[in-house]
Amino acid sequence: QVQLQESGPGLVKPSQTLSLTCTVSGGSISSGSYYWSWIRQPAGKGLEWIGRIQTSGSINYNPSLKSRVTMSVDTSKNQFSLKLTSVTAADTAVYYCARAGPTPDRFDPWGQGTLVTVSS
Amino acid sequence: QSVLTQPPSASGTPGQRVTISCSGSSSNIGSNYVYWYQQLPGTAPKLLIYRNNQRPSGVPDRFSGSKSGTSASLAISGLRSEDEADYYCAAWDDSPNGVIFGGGTMLTVL
Repeated sequence: QVQLQESGPGLVKPSQTLSLTCTVSGGSISSGSYYWSWIRQPAGKGLEWIGRIQTSGSINYNPSLKSRVTMSVDTSKNQFSLKLTSVTAADTAVYYCARAGPTPDRFDPWGQGTLVTVSS
Repeated sequence: QSVLTQPPSASGTPGQRVTISCSGSSSNIGSNYVYWYQQLPGTAPKLLIYRNNQRPSGVPDRFSGSKSGTSASLAISGLRSEDEADYYCAAWDDSPNGVIFGGGTMLTVL
């Protein structure tokens, strides 16, 4: 059974870069045509899709975040990553990684989530 | 602001049937599948319904989904206290390309 786990700093200073990694266990990140995705949720608010990447190299980002987001995948480590530049307090949220497939909006399973706070 | 519109709250008593609506447009619900996610307090969301009305294994048949035109609904019958959670609809939006979520509906079991 595939499981996902987010990791990264819980505190990032304004204007700096948020970096998170999602480690996939219980299966190979290269098997199947899955979309490895990031979703975030500010406290008390709804879900926001950040983007997704496939091991084939195909990438899609949320247009509202596109200028600040970079995603990558490391098949040797069974991991995929998120970088979000020039962060502000508005980027404070719980960040989830999730596997999507066979369609890009079928998210299952999800990681447990990691809280990232943007503050000086 | 969410492109998919859900009521912020819903409620029911144990045993009742409740429905949660999700309204979109021709570029999302009208032309793509709808998914529903359940988020229990303090936990990550969980897939509840896929492809409009399909249940993953392990999801009770008390949960059902439907879609008509540019709207979708989630129905929960035989309401139980453990159903108290936030529910989100989601769909791919063709313009611009990307996944969009509804604002979420907080379900209270009275």
